[in-house]
Amino acid sequence: QKEVEQDPGPLSVPEGAIVSLNCTYSNSAFQYFMWYRQYSRKGPELLMYTYSSGNKEDGRFTAQVDKSSKYISLFIRDSQPSDSATYLCARYNTDKLIFGTGTRLQVFP
Amino acid sequence: DGGITQSPKYLFRKEGQNVTLSCEQNLNHDAMYWYRQDPGQGLRLIYYSQIVNDFQKGDIAEGYSVSREKKESFPLTVTSAQKNPTAFYLCASSIDRLNTEAFFGQGTRLTVV
Repeated sequence: QKEVEQDPGPLSVPEGAIVSLNCTYSNSAFQYFMWYRQYSRKGPELLMYTYSSGNKEDGRFTAQVDKSSKYISLFIRDSQPSDSATYLCARYNTDKLIFGTGTRLQVFP
Repeated sequence: DGGITQSPKYLFRKEGQNVTLSCEQNLNHDAMYWYRQDPGQGLRLIYYSQIVNDFQKGDIAEGYSVSREKKESFPLTVTSAQKNPTAFYLCASSIDRLNTEAFFGQGTRLTVV
């Protein structure tokens, strides 16, 4: 079992939709979780990180961690075509980041 | 501007040749990382370094080598022993080994011809 699993998509939604991106993880010892956004042929950029359980909100983005089910979610409200990218979840393990495979999101006008 | 610079952006290599990818950062970060990205496989860790003159193997180190002689530089050499080197290579850095926020370069796309 991979340490962080993510549906590769692609996920295609209309502009204005609420998007839900999800990851599962296997090691309950992890505390830090991150979401990165990667545009085509570019390096990933950090969107949000959360510690332990609960929600964290930043503008149109909400990150949620459910430790009981080992589930990490990123919600995007009022999605825009500029949100079209690959979204990578990651968890911190001692001294390195472990990434999921990424979910490709397409928001069409 | 502070950041991470990878060069070149595109690189072509003949089979059997070694090639070195450059990664420089001016963020004064202690930790630096090399990842490889292939379609459908996410980012896989090749090597990482938490401090100058020290580095550790990641999950897929075979066929690669690194050095960390200066804090701001962490070059990656793809050797002829790497059987499938065509990929997108990403360098990252973070303030320290806790790595809760890693900053990435724009990547180098290596193609073996």
